Formats: sequence, C-alpha cells, structure tokens
Amino acid sequence: LAKTTQPISMDSYEGQEVNITCSHNNIATNDYITWYQQFPSQGPRFIIQGYKTKVTNEVASLFIPADRKSSTLSLPRVSLSDTAVYYCLVGARAYSGAGSYQLTFGKGTKLSVIP
Amino acid sequence: KAGVTQTPRYLIKTRGQQVTLSCSPISGHRSVSWYQQTPGQGLQFLFEYFSETQRNKGNFPGRFSGRQFSNSRSEMNVSTLELGDSALYLCASSLAGENQPQHFGDGTRLSIL
Repeated sequence: LAKTTQPISMDSYEGQEVNITCSHNNIATNDYITWYQQFPSQGPRFIIQGYKTKVTNEVASLFIPADRKSSTLSLPRVSLSDTAVYYCLVGARAYSGAGSYQLTFGKGTKLSVIP
Repeated sequence: KAGVTQTPRYLIKTRGQQVTLSCSPISGHRSVSWYQQTPGQGLQFLFEYFSETQRNKGNFPGRFSGRQFSNSRSEMNVSTLELGDSALYLCASSLAGENQPQHFGDGTRLSIL
C-alpha cells in the first residue's frame, strides 16, 4: 500500500484559496488518489478522486503532476465550515475476484479556517 | 438518495460484554467496509464484505467479527469488550467496480466502562 505524507496542520483566513499537498512517492500504476474530509464525530466525506492531470468538481480541484508522486487538493475561497481534517489516500481497487484492498488512512491535515 | 446509516449512534458497555453494530449501505452498494477510529491510532481498517463474503481483513483480533446479509446490510460484532475498544466505529459502502470511492456513515460511538 502506498504511503502518503501530508502536513499535520494548516491555517487559512476565510475567503482564501487553500492548497494541501500530499506526497506518495511509491504510488503504483493502478493507484488512484482520493481525498476525504472529516468533521469531528462524523464519518469521512468523499471530496474528489483522480488518476492524473486535473480533476475538478463543485467543491474542489485535484492537481496531479505527470510523475504522480504527489497531488494537491485545492479548496477555493474557504469558509469557517471548511475547518476539518483532510485525508489523502492512494490505492487501487480491482474487482478481479482475487480480493479487494483496504483503505489506509494517514494522520491527515487539520485545516483551521480563521475569520 | 439516503446515505450510509449506522445504528446505534452511541453505545455504552462494560468490560467483558459483547456488542453488535449495524450498517445499512447506500442502495445499490454491495461492498461494505468497517473501520475503527481512535485519537491515538487514527482510522484503521477492520474488514470488508462483498456479496456476503469477507474479502479482506485488517490486523485486529478475532474478537472482532462481521457479516453481511443478502440485502448488503452488515453487522459488526465485538466480543469480550476491553477498555481499548472504546472508539468511533465507521462503516463505508461503495459500488462494485474498479476504484469506486467509499462513502462513510457517521459511525457508532462505543464507550467501554
């Protein structure tokens, strides 16, 4: 399972763009990169997933360079409600009949948005 | 579309007892996974079920077990509870297919006295 490294914490002011970078040097060819957001006493919430280049949805963008050894989650114009822990996960999930894979969560990045 | 539902939300037990937690996945999701979350260890994978079969298992003792029913609902059982089993237990479901993301419930907060 690919190991990920993220900053432990980040602070940002409301209205700013926040970029959280995750390193995954031993990412495998079939691995996807997935980001989750978690608020206290709630389950992680899926934010975005990508394989290469750039993926954008209604809440975030995910930038993946050509070597795929890192990825950056970009949150545009954060608000106080974006204060949460953000997890970067790397893995592949194939339904070939041989089995599944398990999600390995790191410590995540605790984002604090300041008014 | 309803999300993943876990019951109960909160549970208090004493050492030596056993407990059963329930998870109803999102409609159409056949894969259900369980995780334990504690402040010290973070989120740790327990096991995954797909079509009523356990497909993968994390590094937890045999006191932790689970099962999945034909409607994809899943239960997790912990026997002979220990103080260290106090945690948030999370269930996640996903569609079949390569690299489908998992969707989590809000968990069951289990406290052992």
